[in-house]
Amino acid sequence: EAGVTQSPTHLIKTRGQQATLRCSPISGHTSVYWYQQALGLGLQFLLWYDEGEERNRGNFPPRFSGRQFPNYSSELNVNALELEDSALYLCASSLRMEVFLLSNYGYTFGSGTRLTVV
Amino acid sequence: SQQGEEDPQALSIQEGENATMNCSYKTSINNLQWYRQNSGRGLVHLILIRSNEREKHSGRLRVTLDTSKKSSSLLITASRAADTASYFCATDQAGTALIFGKGTTLSVSS
Repeated sequence: EAGVTQSPTHLIKTRGQQATLRCSPISGHTSVYWYQQALGLGLQFLLWYDEGEERNRGNFPPRFSGRQFPNYSSELNVNALELEDSALYLCASSLRMEVFLLSNYGYTFGSGTRLTVV
Repeated sequence: SQQGEEDPQALSIQEGENATMNCSYKTSINNLQWYRQNSGRGLVHLILIRSNEREKHSGRLRVTLDTSKKSSSLLITASRAADTASYFCATDQAGTALIFGKGTTLSVSS
């Protein structure tokens, strides 16, 4: 069974440009989560999608946005890139929340997209 | 915002020794989870402990949870070089995504 896949693996953008990152969850998972991990910092929660709806949003400016498609894959868009947006962006998936809360499973993470803004 | 804070930030031990990492959090939780991250890649789920549990084991891992002190500990027994990684605690509060701490970097030397 395929794990959580993220593309691209690496992305280099110029300040002011837009970046689009993609994530495909594990089959059967309907929740997708996005996290930012800047160098030396922990994971900062960005966005949570479940069954096509945005469920929760972290403390990030509106230029960070995303969406979830009918097949539960997800896209993270970052507009007007700034140098401090350089980070590893991690996507994770899980069963839908009602089932997840009763299970002993955690999130399944992808390997991340390394975004460098120059 | 960070919910969990791991302690210590970095830990260096020899193979065969035990490694203990601690996590403190601020608000009430449904469960607490521990994850491992190798070399800045994706995280791997290790173990989950519910708020009504006090201790849980999985192989060489032992997790404790003290909800009165809002703290948890992860013990890795008989550490191996392959255990070298960053370890994160994450808390699950109702209606939100997991909130992660900043992690403990464990280095196991042979």
